[in-house]
Amino acid sequence: DQQVKQNSPSLSVQEGRISILNCDYTNSMFDYFLWYKKYPAEGPTFLISISSIKDKNEDGRFTVFLNKSAKHLSLHIVPSQPGDSAVYFCAASRGYQGAQKLVFGQGTRLTINP
Amino acid sequence: KAGVTQTPRYLIKTRGQQVTLSCSPISGHRSVSWYQQTPGQGLQFLFEYFSETQRNKGNFPGRFSGRQFSNSRSEMNVSTLELGDSALYLCASSRTSGGSTDTQYFGPGTRLTVL
Repeated sequence: DQQVKQNSPSLSVQEGRISILNCDYTNSMFDYFLWYKKYPAEGPTFLISISSIKDKNEDGRFTVFLNKSAKHLSLHIVPSQPGDSAVYFCAASRGYQGAQKLVFGQGTRLTINP
Repeated sequence: KAGVTQTPRYLIKTRGQQVTLSCSPISGHRSVSWYQQTPGQGLQFLFEYFSETQRNKGNFPGRFSGRQFSNSRSEMNVSTLELGDSALYLCASSRTSGGSTDTQYFGPGTRLTVL
């Protein structure tokens, strides 16, 4: 049972435009969501997170939106740069006891074209 | 501040052997979690240690075990290796083991190949 889903395995965007990566989840107990960026043969790098009490969080070029009723979150990157090309993972965790048990989506490979 | 470090970075073993991987968390971080990444299953949670105690465990067989030392460094062990254990093993650290808003920071991983 895949509790966190990233339905787009890949996404191609032109440099300077907006990149939108999507993530859906099924477990309503999740209360903290994160986005990580990963290059091959490296560990995931934390990008941005959002608590379930918020619906938007911004950090520079990165904005995460959370729609709890739809169990959907998205990551917006504006403007997209060539260095943003990587695999992006959405992750979720639940509650106090399970806080460190991140459940990951399958990832979306983002390619930024010059 | 130094990040999470993992040793070794690459490892080749044969079926039936056992292996021990090491992880040093970010200074001041007391929680260490381990994940397995494979092409078929993606990133999956193995277990988490805090103050030398296992606090959470994923759905992996008992061949996978770990421990944490008083300095927060952690090791994971896989016994009786199988071909399917070939994967990138990632360690992540965070400050505490409570509060769901505590971000985990990952190391570069150990690439294990089982022949």
